[in-house]
Amino acid sequence: GAGVSQSPRYKVAKRGQDVALRCDPISGHVSLFWYQQALGQGPEFLTYFQNEAQLDKSGLPSDRFFAERPEGSVSTLKIQRTQQEDSAVYLCASSFDGSGNTEAFFGQGTRLTVV
Amino acid sequence: GQNIDQPTEMTATEGAIVQINCTYQTSGFNGLFWYQQHAGEAPTFLSYNVLDGLEEKGRFSSFLSRSKGYSYLLLKELQMKDSASYLCAVRVPTGANNLFFGTGTRLTVIP
Repeated sequence: GAGVSQSPRYKVAKRGQDVALRCDPISGHVSLFWYQQALGQGPEFLTYFQNEAQLDKSGLPSDRFFAERPEGSVSTLKIQRTQQEDSAVYLCASSFDGSGNTEAFFGQGTRLTVV
Repeated sequence: GQNIDQPTEMTATEGAIVQINCTYQTSGFNGLFWYQQHAGEAPTFLSYNVLDGLEEKGRFSSFLSRSKGYSYLLLKELQMKDSASYLCAVRVPTGANNLFFGTGTRLTVIP
C-alpha cells in the first residue's frame, strides 16, 4: 500500500483480555519497529524486526507482550492479560533498509484503552 | 540510557519564527530526526541531520551540533496548521539502529 497501515484504529479491552494489533508496512520495507506512545509523551521503543528476524525486543515492558513478523511483511503485536497501564497508542513504523540512514514512516497507530 | 530533552510546550504568533531546541545524551549517534505529529495522527518526517550544520527545506530548517549534543528546528512564516507536536529523535547505532524520541514539544500557533 501507499503507507503504513495499522488495525484496528481503536481497541477497548477489558482488563485481563488478550489483544492483537496488526501492522502492514510499506511494501518492500525491510525494517519494522513497534513503539508505545502514552498521552503527552514521545514514542517509546518496543521491538524491531529486520525482515522476519526480531533483532531487538529490549523495549517490551513485560513477558505479556509478544511480537511476530513471520513472513517478513505484516507484523502482529500481541498483549496478553491486558492491564490498565497498557492503555496507550501503539505505533508501527517501517523503513526501507536496516542501514539506519533512511527515514522511518509511521502508521496512524492503534489506540488501546483497557477498562 | 538515552536522554533527549526538549521543551514541553511553546506558543508563537502566526507569521512569526519559532525555534524548538533539542539536547541529547546518547550511547552513540547515527543521525537526528525531526517529526511533526498532529493530535491523533501518525508522526510525519520533517528533517534529518547527520553532519553538523543547517539543513533547509522550505519554511523548515534544522541545525545540528554533534559536539554539543544539540539540535534545533526552525519554523518560519508560521501558519495555524503548524500547531502540532514536534518530536526530536536520535538514531542510536544499536543492532536495531533504533530511534529514541524526546517527549515532544507541543507548539500552539495563535492569530
